[in-house]
Amino acid sequence: GESVGLHLPTLSVQEGDNSIINCAYSNSASDYFIWYKQESGKGPQFIIDIRSNMDKRQGQRVTVLLNKTVKHLSLQIAATQPGDSAVYFCAEREGKLIFGQGTTLQVKP
Amino acid sequence: DVKVTQSSRYLVKRTGEKVFLECVQDMDHENMFWYRQDPGLGLRLIYFSYDVKMKEKGDIPEGYSVSREKKERFSLILESASTNQTSMYLCASSPMDGVNTEAFFGQGTRLTVV
Repeated sequence: GESVGLHLPTLSVQEGDNSIINCAYSNSASDYFIWYKQESGKGPQFIIDIRSNMDKRQGQRVTVLLNKTVKHLSLQIAATQPGDSAVYFCAEREGKLIFGQGTTLQVKP
Repeated sequence: DVKVTQSSRYLVKRTGEKVFLECVQDMDHENMFWYRQDPGLGLRLIYFSYDVKMKEKGDIPEGYSVSREKKERFSLILESASTNQTSMYLCASSPMDGVNTEAFFGQGTRLTVV
């Protein structure tokens, strides 16, 4: 069936460095993608989204890149901070949300 | 502030019990979802509803049922709880597809079946 996946279960970065979290999706008909952040003991929270008619979208310290040719999505976090430590999920939407397995971002002081 | 509220943060139930997990949203959203979250498996969709009294099976509906009698409330029912249903359960809601279609999540219910 269709699936959304992340390349790495865990990513460890130094505080202040940039982080890049990757995601591959398989449903070429999906036209909307979302990144969520889930902190320990909480539900996922929306970070940023992108529609398939775009290839880049920027937020505050975060950028999402979409490459439809290879069905790849990435989340870039600039100047990573300890508060960015969390599990990050990408999701595609076609009526319902389909989530990847998540990448745990660990920020080293 | 938008809000999705799940009735319990933690629940412990016995095998064979009937379990109700309640979710309420105050955003007048049409769509509501129930997921379970397990280590290494991410979020898996159990059921979703796109309107009152409407429901659709997700990827893992076995052992579960749902009820949506009112737009703001979506209940997940475990007819006869089993230990393999021990998990974190997440409820979410979203508007019908449109300009903003992100889903908003509740804080989760951690269910333990003993």
